Amino acid sequence: GESVGLHLPTLSVQEGDNSIINCAYSNSASDYFIWYKQESGKGPQFIIDIRSNMDKRQGQRVTVLLNKTVKHLSLQIAATQPGDSAVYFCAERSPTGNQFYFGTGTSLTVIP
Amino acid sequence: GAVVSQHPSWVICKSGTSVKIECRSLDFQATTMFWYRQFPKQSLMLMATSNEGSKATYEQGVEKDKFLINHASLTLSTLTVTSAHPEDSSFYICSASRGGPKQPQHFGDGTRLSIL
Repeated sequence: GESVGLHLPTLSVQEGDNSIINCAYSNSASDYFIWYKQESGKGPQFIIDIRSNMDKRQGQRVTVLLNKTVKHLSLQIAATQPGDSAVYFCAERSPTGNQFYFGTGTSLTVIP
Repeated sequence: GAVVSQHPSWVICKSGTSVKIECRSLDFQATTMFWYRQFPKQSLMLMATSNEGSKATYEQGVEKDKFLINHASLTLSTLTVTSAHPEDSSFYICSASRGGPKQPQHFGDGTRLSIL
């Protein structure tokens, strides 16, 4: 589970629309996943997490879906707001420890 | 609760200088701290895992002698970039955890290192 040194993909959405951000993870044995939001010049902020024994978890305006068959996570943000503009990363926890490995990330821009 | 502070937030220095970055857990005891590196418009890459009182575990490809990590207390870990060069310029982020597989990581706000 290592991040890839690629430049961030971008997603632009209109304010009020729903956003879907996708992430592929690498280790089929990873048992815990977190979505983080990172604003410019700051550290990542926890958004929502999901364990591998679940397919879906809902929070306030956010939903995470986990598809273990294809090693894919998605983050859905309902009624996207300008304050949601940031870079979003998924992170998978190593099955052998407490290390987290981050995905490539997606830069979300919300258009007012 | 669970505040992690990094210092300095931004440092500019000449090539060849060694730079120390501090990571402090302000309101909890951090048995484990993690150091990440992030290049512009890229993801966070885990550099090393630091457990209080023991040697850090470095990820593959990270030079131990280049990036010295010390975790001498339950509230402080330091990362020293030795003989820094322009290619070491990056955003360095730490996180802290109470330890154990079910404890969350709490992130600092990062240190921007610019080597001239």
